[in-house]
Amino acid sequence: EDKVVQSPLSLVVHEGDTVTLNCSYEVTNFRSLLWYKQEKKAPTFLFMLTSSGIEKKSGRLSSILDKKELFSILNITATQTGDSAIYLCAVEGNTGFQKLVFGTGTRLLVSP
Amino acid sequence: DTEVTQTPKHLVMGMTNKKSLKCEQHMGHRAMYWYKQKAKKPPELMFVYSYEKLSINESVPSRFSPECPNSSLLNLHLHALQPEDSALYLCASSQDPQGTQYFGPGTRLTVL
Repeated sequence: EDKVVQSPLSLVVHEGDTVTLNCSYEVTNFRSLLWYKQEKKAPTFLFMLTSSGIEKKSGRLSSILDKKELFSILNITATQTGDSAIYLCAVEGNTGFQKLVFGTGTRLLVSP
Repeated sequence: DTEVTQTPKHLVMGMTNKKSLKCEQHMGHRAMYWYKQKAKKPPELMFVYSYEKLSINESVPSRFSPECPNSSLLNLHLHALQPEDSALYLCASSQDPQGTQYFGPGTRLTVL
């Protein structure tokens, strides 16, 4: 059975700190790993990773995938209160459909 | 138009009621998805429509009935729900069945 485990489950940091969120996975016929940010309702797409060792960046956020060790990390530098959210990691197996299996998420709280 | 919209935002219904959730996108996406998300849990896939045909049904009880009248619209018809069906129902769409999924804001459903 496909499985995604995220750590830590929750995290409280001060504004300006750098955080690293972890995602490990087991999936049949891995196709991609995705990171989403969920605030009040809709998960918002952040990154899709398919290749090992290639960092994806968007502003203060970056992510990298290690397909050998079956994990990914999401880094947020110079955190702001607006970064407070649940960060969801999801993996997709090669089933022909993008059937996502989500981890339980990391709840990040950035305090002023 | 670059978003997925869902109506209503909130819905309260009794166990004998019949109601429908609506999801719409005008991005030309040809795959649409329904997810259910319970509190403090990740989204769980319910249905996938690809080119207006039901492609995946994740063993969802028949009291949930999806419908895809056209490529822009996805409905979820609800009948004889149970209180444990109370959750956030998320719709997503992707360019094609293997594309990145973009989520709508969700409908928060409460079954009394």
